[in-house]
Amino acid sequence: SQQGEEDPQALSIQEGENATMNCSYKTSINNLQWYRQNSGRGLVHLILIRSNEREKHSGRLRVTLDTSKKSSSLLITASRAADTASYFCATYGNEKLTFGTGTRLTIIP
Amino acid sequence: GAVVSQHPSRVICKSGTSVKIECRSLDFQATTMFWYRQFPKQSLMLMATSNEGSKATYEQGVEKDKFLINHASLTLSTLTVTSAHPEDSSFYICSARSGQGHEKLFFGSGTQLSVL
Repeated sequence: SQQGEEDPQALSIQEGENATMNCSYKTSINNLQWYRQNSGRGLVHLILIRSNEREKHSGRLRVTLDTSKKSSSLLITASRAADTASYFCATYGNEKLTFGTGTRLTIIP
Repeated sequence: GAVVSQHPSRVICKSGTSVKIECRSLDFQATTMFWYRQFPKQSLMLMATSNEGSKATYEQGVEKDKFLINHASLTLSTLTVTSAHPEDSSFYICSARSGQGHEKLFFGSGTQLSVL
């Protein structure tokens, strides 16, 4: 079953702009993770934020988590053409990872 | 990071045949592997969880006799789609975890199955 809903479903921005994606989930979690998928390929882990954390940074990525609202956001700053991909949030609980619906991000050069 | 190899990357088969997909962890021992299915432009749906040496745990709605999973070693899990039908056409992705409590998954590159 799907745990998360992501918003927006698709996002197109100019290179250099920031991209923000949001994720909402339904049940309690141990952590929330973000993954990237290039078309027709497997997923690459980007960042993990634990349920007791509120914000985390990794390079150009910034993730926030609000457990009271059961929501998370992923911010990619200074976007590049190579950031074009689908981005999925995934919640970890009961020893398994359940994915959200994904956001298709297109960076326009 | 850890590498998971999935093979084949693409397979086309006739309806009624069986197809085997392999998932190998190349530089770590994967105590648990997960099999996902993904339809075009949609999310990943967990099909089953396999632990080395034990029977796989299937998600609700997934036919265990249709999708046979074998996790005979700490580096190899296989998914066999038996008597494939066109509706089984999908992108199948495996992922592996290196140990209990390790929350980050490493993914294979996926297998695009097309059943004619």
